[in-house]
Amino acid sequence: EVQVMESGGGLVQPGGSLRLSCGASGFTFSTYAMSWVRQAPGKGLEWVSSITSSSGTTYYADSVKGRFTISRDNSKNTLSLQMNSLRADDTAVYYCAKDRGFVPVGEFHYWGQGTLVTVSS
Amino acid sequence: QSALTQPASVSGSPGQSITISCTGTGSDVGTYNLVSWYQHHPDKAPKLIIYDVSKRPSGVSDRFSGSKSDNTASLTISGLQAEDEADYYCCSYAGSSTFVFGTGTKVTVL
Repeated sequence: EVQVMESGGGLVQPGGSLRLSCGASGFTFSTYAMSWVRQAPGKGLEWVSSITSSSGTTYYADSVKGRFTISRDNSKNTLSLQMNSLRADDTAVYYCAKDRGFVPVGEFHYWGQGTLVTVSS
Repeated sequence: QSALTQPASVSGSPGQSITISCTGTGSDVGTYNLVSWYQHHPDKAPKLIIYDVSKRPSGVSDRFSGSKSDNTASLTISGLQAEDEADYYCCSYAGSSTFVFGTGTKVTVL
C-alpha cells in the first residue's frame, strides 16, 4: 500500500526556519517525482515545489522561490522541504504528494495527511 | 501563476448531475492536456479523481468525468450522492514544470 506521511510542522516566528519531512513507503520512491502542496486556513490548494525522481531538477512557485529548498534522499525514501525566512502567509497545512513518473506533471496520485505550519509571533 | 478560476460553490439534489468549471489561460489549461481534478474532504488527504483532462484513476467512480474546451476544463459529477459533498480543485500544468490549482469549489448535496 502506497503511503506518504509528513512531519516537522509546528509554530515558528516570522523570519524563522523550519524543515518538513515526508516518509514514503509502498512504492519505488527513487523512480517518482515528488511535490509539496499547501493549503492556508480557509484557502485553496497551492502548489509549492516539485523535484524529479533523481533530484536532478527542482521547481518552485514564485511565492517561495529563494526561501524554500526541496530535496530528497532516495536511500531513505524521504522528501524534505527546508523553509527559511518564513512569513505569516506561509501558514498552512503542507502536503507531500507523489507524482505519476520521473518528472513532475502535476498528477498527484497519493497525498499525505499534511502537517500544519504556523508562522506567528 | 494566478489561480485558475472555479465557482465558489455548486449544489445539486441526489441523483442530479452537476458541472464545475475551471477557467485558465492560454498559458496553462488552453495549451496543455495536463489538467487534473481533486476531491478534498475536510481533514482528509486530497484524492485524485481525474487526470490528463478526462482519465480516471483505477477505483474512481465512473460518475466522475472530465473535459476541456479552449481555456476551460470541466468536471461533471453524475448521479450525485451524499458522499460527493466535498471541495473540488482543478490543477493544470503551467509550463516549465510549474503547476497552478484552481480556487476550489464547494459541492453541496441538497
